[in-house]
Amino acid sequence: GQQLNQSPQSMFIQEGEDVSMNCTSSSIFNTWLWYKQDPGEGPVLLIALYKAGELTSNGRLTAQFGITRKDSFLNISASIPSDVGIYFCAGHPPGGGSNYKLTFGKGTLLTVNP
Amino acid sequence: GAVVSQHPSRVICKSGTSVKIECRSLDFQATTMFWYRQFPKKSLMLMATSNEGSKATYEQGVEKDKFLINHASLTLSTLTVTSAHPEDSSFYICSAARMGLGGDNEQFFGPGTRLTVL
Repeated sequence: GQQLNQSPQSMFIQEGEDVSMNCTSSSIFNTWLWYKQDPGEGPVLLIALYKAGELTSNGRLTAQFGITRKDSFLNISASIPSDVGIYFCAGHPPGGGSNYKLTFGKGTLLTVNP
Repeated sequence: GAVVSQHPSRVICKSGTSVKIECRSLDFQATTMFWYRQFPKKSLMLMATSNEGSKATYEQGVEKDKFLINHASLTLSTLTVTSAHPEDSSFYICSAARMGLGGDNEQFFGPGTRLTVL
């Protein structure tokens, strides 16, 4: 089946620094989604991308859908302590429809030192 | 919009008992809901896909008689862990699907249920 390679696995940064993480796939995706999960909570959708080349921002977060449709990155600018958590990329294969399962990356654990 | 609730948030039970977890989409109708299991520091593992009014589709290796899923309405799906054992202890998360701008579904997750089986 399809796999998503998400990197890095973990990051330790200082408050105020910018962060970048990415996901790559062995096959194309129609949709890329980025989620954040706080400890003991469910993932929260941060950004959804629908077109190759699309660049979307949500506050300090920016994500892009790669031109090849096989990758996506998420950037966080000027990190703050509440950015701590696990960030997951997820994607939808071509075909669409509500039954289509998401494929998840393994997550990036972000730690922000005040 | 797109709020999903889960109940209970935490449950502790004795081995051999059954536990029911509810997942509700509060402000939208979801024809499809998904149930995931997550182990500590791991990604989400899809257990089953639940469609309103039909039988759930289980992923390979997930016992359908062990994890009973009922999707009675467009806003409610339930997962029942039958005859729970300590190895069933985990974090269970549901999601509800809503059609996104690109035609594919966006999944919105519930807050999760921490199950501990003694």
